[in-house]
Amino acid sequence: GAVVSQHPSWVICKSGTSVKIECRSLDFQATTMFWYRQFPKQSLMLMATSNEGSKATYEQGVEKDKFLINHASLTLSTLTVTSAHPEDSSFYICSAVPAGPSYEQYFGPGTRLTVT
Amino acid sequence: AQSVTQPDIHITVSEGASLELRCNYSYGATPYLFWYVQSPGQGLQLLLKYFSGDTLVQGIKGFEAEFKRSQSSFNLRKPSVHWSDAAEYFCAVAAPGKLSFGAGTTVTVRA
Repeated sequence: GAVVSQHPSWVICKSGTSVKIECRSLDFQATTMFWYRQFPKQSLMLMATSNEGSKATYEQGVEKDKFLINHASLTLSTLTVTSAHPEDSSFYICSAVPAGPSYEQYFGPGTRLTVT
Repeated sequence: AQSVTQPDIHITVSEGASLELRCNYSYGATPYLFWYVQSPGQGLQLLLKYFSGDTLVQGIKGFEAEFKRSQSSFNLRKPSVHWSDAAEYFCAVAAPGKLSFGAGTTVTVRA
């Protein structure tokens, strides 16, 4: 149980275009989902916290207009990278927390974004 | 605010030898602690977690970790390493609404 999927697993896009990444909790409802970014050989950096039905909370330094997050249902959150540039190339990982009191996050397999 | 320190950036160990990865945390309340493993290009897999109770925690793949409150540590161990254990290992501490990761330790296994 507690499976989280991400789609796509990898994507290549041209500079200036937008790309959407989906994060789904497959067998549980997630009131909260998190989006992380990971550069090569580095740890995970929290970008934003997404709560179902409300606006996402962004970490300091993360541009909310560039990284649009939508959590429209209890099983789906999306991250849209708008007007992507090569410096946005990274590994993006989402996680989900089951409804109810829980400190444990379940992680998706990640999405590799390459902007050319 | 909570934080995690993993003092060892890279560890090389021979196959069959024991492994210990260090993790120190800083958190004002009772910590909820995790160890994750990440293979190249993959997501995170939970190895084990500590919430309360027995301070020696058993996990998957033969890993265990010991919580020591007096030392603010949560070190990960494995008695005999397999080549497939080569990966990146992250220690993390949870606070309400947030998970803080250490910088990670890269484990290389030599034949």
